[in-house]
Amino acid sequence: NAGVMQNPRHLVRRRGQEARLRCSPMKGHSHVYWYRQLPEEGLKFMVYLQKENIIDESGMPKERFSAEFPKEGPSILRIQQVVRGDSAAYFCASSSKGNEQFFGPGTRLTVL
Amino acid sequence: DAKTTQPPSMDCAEGRAANLPCNHSTISGNEYVYWYRQIHSQGPQYIIHGLKNNETNEMASLIITEDRKSSTLILPHATLRDTAVYYCIVLPGGSYIPTFGRGTSLIVHP
Repeated sequence: NAGVMQNPRHLVRRRGQEARLRCSPMKGHSHVYWYRQLPEEGLKFMVYLQKENIIDESGMPKERFSAEFPKEGPSILRIQQVVRGDSAAYFCASSSKGNEQFFGPGTRLTVL
Repeated sequence: DAKTTQPPSMDCAEGRAANLPCNHSTISGNEYVYWYRQIHSQGPQYIIHGLKNNETNEMASLIITEDRKSSTLILPHATLRDTAVYYCIVLPGGSYIPTFGRGTSLIVHP
C-alpha cells in the first residue's frame, strides 16, 4: 500500500518564480489537506479539498496561493511570485470520510 | 476546539515506558483526544485517538481520566526511533482539522 506521496521533496525557487507542489493521496482517500510548517514552528492548516471542491481554505493566504484537487491526478498547491517568507515545509495529508489523516513526507521549499 | 497543555520536553530510557501527559480541562462531551507525532524532518504520523474509554493499538495506549480533563499516551517499550515531537489534539466528532500546538519533544536515550 503506497502512502501519501509528495513531489518534489525539495524545491528551490528564486523570488518571483512560481512553485508547484504535488500530492497524491493514499489509495481510496478522497480528502486532501495541505499544511505549512515554518522553521521551528508547528504545522498550520492551509486548505482542505475533496475531489474538484475546496471545502475549507480558511488557512490559505489571500493572495498568491491556490490549491486544486482535480478529478484525475494529484492535488496541486501553487504559490505564485514566491517570496523568502514562503520558505517552509509543506505537508499534504489524506483521509477517507474525514477520519484520521495520513501525512506525506513533505516538500521543502527554499526561496532564494 | 479545546486547548491542550503539554510539557515542552521529556526524556526516557530505551526499553522503558514513556508516559506523555496532556491536559485538556475545557474539553466538551463530543470532543475526541487525538495523538500524532512528528519525527524530525518527516510528516506527522497518526498514533491513536479516543473519546472516553482507554484505547490500545500496536503503537501505544491512551488513558483518558474519568472526567476527561486529561489523558496520557503510553509507549510501553520506548525505542530510539520513538524520539519525536508528540502532539495531543482535541477535535469535535466529525471535525477534520487538527490544530498542532508545540507538543512534547520526547528524547529516548540509550
